[in-house]
Amino acid sequence: GAGVSQSPSNKVTEKGKDVELRCDPISGHTALYWYRQSLGQGLEFLIYFQGNSAPDKSGLPSDRFSAERTGGSVSTLTIQRTQQEDSAVYLCASSLARGHSYEQYFGPGTRLTVT
Amino acid sequence: AQSVTQLDSQVPVFEEAPVELRCNYSSSVSVYLFWYVQYPNQGLQLLLKYLSGSTLVKSINGFEAEFNKSQTSFHLRKPSVHISDTAEYFCAVSAGTYKYIFGTGTRLKVLA
Repeated sequence: GAGVSQSPSNKVTEKGKDVELRCDPISGHTALYWYRQSLGQGLEFLIYFQGNSAPDKSGLPSDRFSAERTGGSVSTLTIQRTQQEDSAVYLCASSLARGHSYEQYFGPGTRLTVT
Repeated sequence: AQSVTQLDSQVPVFEEAPVELRCNYSSSVSVYLFWYVQYPNQGLQLLLKYLSGSTLVKSINGFEAEFNKSQTSFHLRKPSVHISDTAEYFCAVSAGTYKYIFGTGTRLKVLA
């Protein structure tokens, strides 16, 4: 079946502009995650959705970052007033929230460059 | 809270040579452990996982990792690498919840 998809694959934006990044999880996966991957930094957890609610937003770096999920499916990560330090690859993952492993399946990512 | 350390940021190795990528973790509770691989310009793919049972786990492409509770390690090994194994490898730990803690990754560069 189809995996996790993300769009756009690349986004170049000017400092101060808003951007929206989209994630389509695997059908039936109730859990959805956003991560940020910066050069040499590994993966930084941003937010976790269970259905349409976000019980853990602890990784969002500032109030310029927000995310929503609708219909228990598609999620959008919005970054307002982008800064150069926001440049990174943003990865989305989804999983079945059952058992204990919460095995996560990742999308290909959106590479964001803020100029 | 859990943490993961991947001490080697880059590992160069010649084709057909063995390789070990190191991963150490810390946790006050039982954990699940994972290795993910990221090929250039792609997302992360699960390579193998330890949930319970046998401490030696294997992937379909020849990698294996051993959970060592006393040394809090989950090192990844392959006896003979191929050029196609060139990628970045991430170790991750979970305490059985949604929260995965990832290491900073190790870039494996296989040389001809």
